[in-house]
Amino acid sequence: EAGVTQFPSHSVIEKGQTVTLRCDPISGHDNLYWYRRVMGKEIKFLLHFVKESKQDESGMPNNRFLAERTGGTYSTLKVQPAELEDSGVYFCASSPARSGGLNYGYTFGSGTRLTVV
Amino acid sequence: AQSVTQLDSQVPVFEEAPVELRCNYSSSVSVYLFWYVQYPNQGLQLLLKYLSGSTLVKGINGFEAEFNKSQTSFHLRKPSVHISDTAEYFCAVSDWRYSSASKIIFGSGTRLSIRP
Repeated sequence: EAGVTQFPSHSVIEKGQTVTLRCDPISGHDNLYWYRRVMGKEIKFLLHFVKESKQDESGMPNNRFLAERTGGTYSTLKVQPAELEDSGVYFCASSPARSGGLNYGYTFGSGTRLTVV
Repeated sequence: AQSVTQLDSQVPVFEEAPVELRCNYSSSVSVYLFWYVQYPNQGLQLLLKYLSGSTLVKGINGFEAEFNKSQTSFHLRKPSVHISDTAEYFCAVSDWRYSSASKIIFGSGTRLSIRP
């Protein structure tokens, strides 16, 4: 089966611009997560979708970040306007539905490296 | 609140030597524990996980970890490392109170570098 796909793999934008990251989870996975790693620091949770609903968005840093998952398939994470401190690697992960989630663990994508200059 | 501490940010070791990467966690409830690995220019890959049962967990690539509840530790070990083990390793914890999939909390990572 195909894994979790993220694109672009790299993005370099100027401060103040808008960037949209995309994540395609494993087909059939209801749970989709976004995480971020700022250079040298830990990987931090951003938010969790169950199908198209936001289950937990407690990790979203501020209102410049907008995540969507229309139709419960792929998800986008938009940063508008981007700031220098938004630079980092953004990971997406997916897992099966409720009963299987933690028994299967999470499958992560390769990440999108965002650089804001 | 849960937290994970990886005590070593970098661990250099010679090829074929044993290695232990340390991880301690704190949580007010029972947890699931994970180790993930990130090879250069790749995504996060699950090495092993502890959900319940035997406290010694075996994972891929010859790695194993032992869950120690009294010491709240989940150290990762390998008896003999290879150059290909060069990567960054992340310990992670998840709250099992909720039967549905829950977010996981990561440690800050340990860079393992293997010297020939």
